[in-house]
Amino acid sequence: KQEVTQIPAALSVPEGENLVLNCSFTDSAIYNLQWFRQDPGKGLTSLLLIQSSQREQTSGRLNASLDKSSGRSTLYIAASQPGDSATYLCAVKEEPGTASKLTFGTGTRLQVTL
Amino acid sequence: SQTIHQWPATLVQPVGSPLSLECTVEGTSNPNLYWYRQAAGRGLQLLFYSVGIGQISSEVPQNLSASRPQDRQFILSSKKLLLSDSGFYLCAWRQGQNTEAFFGQGTRLTVV
Repeated sequence: KQEVTQIPAALSVPEGENLVLNCSFTDSAIYNLQWFRQDPGKGLTSLLLIQSSQREQTSGRLNASLDKSSGRSTLYIAASQPGDSATYLCAVKEEPGTASKLTFGTGTRLQVTL
Repeated sequence: SQTIHQWPATLVQPVGSPLSLECTVEGTSNPNLYWYRQAAGRGLQLLFYSVGIGQISSEVPQNLSASRPQDRQFILSSKKLLLSDSGFYLCAWRQGQNTEAFFGQGTRLTVV
């Protein structure tokens, strides 16, 4: 059974700092990995999708990497801002099958302070 | 562009009452649709998914059911709510199997 772990569970950094969020998964047979952001009481906002054949994806100040063989992904946030404060979730899509479900980690709660 | 609508945003229901949560997707056709539940301090759990009209698959046995009466409409229901049904319910869609998944804004259900 696939298990997704995110460490740390919570992180507080001062504004302007670069930071890395970690995601690990136990079964390397995945189709893709997706990073989401969740603000309190809100739904999930998709940040980046990395296919299993890719090593990294970039969007603005965000860079996500994937090491499928070792079961790890990182989300790098450059020059953090208070508006980046949220919970960040990673999720893997497992293969094979038509269910196409995502298995989620429990998230890292990020607080960027002034 | 595609958008996903989910309502209501919050709901407080007594134990034993029925439930109906609705999700609709605009701007696409034949999406894969999903219902997830997020319990406090836990990850998201897939409840149901659908790859087409009338096609529903359940991931976990529970007090809930789902229906897809139209291509872009996904409904989560219960005949009699339990306290344990409380949680944050999220609808999601994806076009195809290997693409980005998009989520709605969620419904906070409290069963009292």
